[in-house]
Amino acid sequence: EPEVTQTPSHQVTQMGQEVILRCVPISNHLYFYWYRQILGQKVEFLVSFYNNEISEKSEIFDDQFSVERPDGSNFTLKIRSTKLEDSAMYFCASRDPGQGAMDYGYTFGSGTRLTVV
Amino acid sequence: GENVEQHPSTLSVQEGDSAVIKCTYSDSASNYFPWYKQELGKRPQLIIDIRSNVGEKKDQRIAVTLNKTAKHFSLHITETQPEDSAVYFCAAIGSYIPTFGRGTSLIVHP
Repeated sequence: EPEVTQTPSHQVTQMGQEVILRCVPISNHLYFYWYRQILGQKVEFLVSFYNNEISEKSEIFDDQFSVERPDGSNFTLKIRSTKLEDSAMYFCASRDPGQGAMDYGYTFGSGTRLTVV
Repeated sequence: GENVEQHPSTLSVQEGDSAVIKCTYSDSASNYFPWYKQELGKRPQLIIDIRSNVGEKKDQRIAVTLNKTAKHFSLHITETQPEDSAVYFCAAIGSYIPTFGRGTSLIVHP
């Protein structure tokens, strides 16, 4: 079964440093998402990406965050200057567009645990 | 925007009992309601979903009901087993972006 792959699985970084989280979505998917889950809390939407641009973003996704699809396979989330409160599990997801408007077909990656110290 | 409330936050049952988790949503435009199971340290995985033109859906021991008028939907797990222990998240989707509930930690005691 196709998977969404995320690397690294765990990243520890100093406060103020930049981090890049990487995702390889399922190859025929066209919609890409980043979500965040602070330990013990719900999954929160950050941003969606389609046709090489951001289509929606949440209030959490401020100027510290950016996303990029640098080539045909990778989808990255960059946090420019990390804060302690950025510590969370970050999930990438992708969606198959080809099954009609009523079938959302999200597949989540296994996540990257970001720890800011 | 959409607001999803989920209850209870923790549910403890004996093996073989039934478990019910309830969610309410606020946006009447939401038309797709998936449920995810998340085991400790793992990704959320879709276990069942329901669309707004369906009132009930069942898959073996799992069922979901939807009341559009009252804007609530529920997950029902029958004959619970220890491996059902996990956090369960409901979500409501109206514009391709899911809004998740806060999760229910289900504990099934052998």
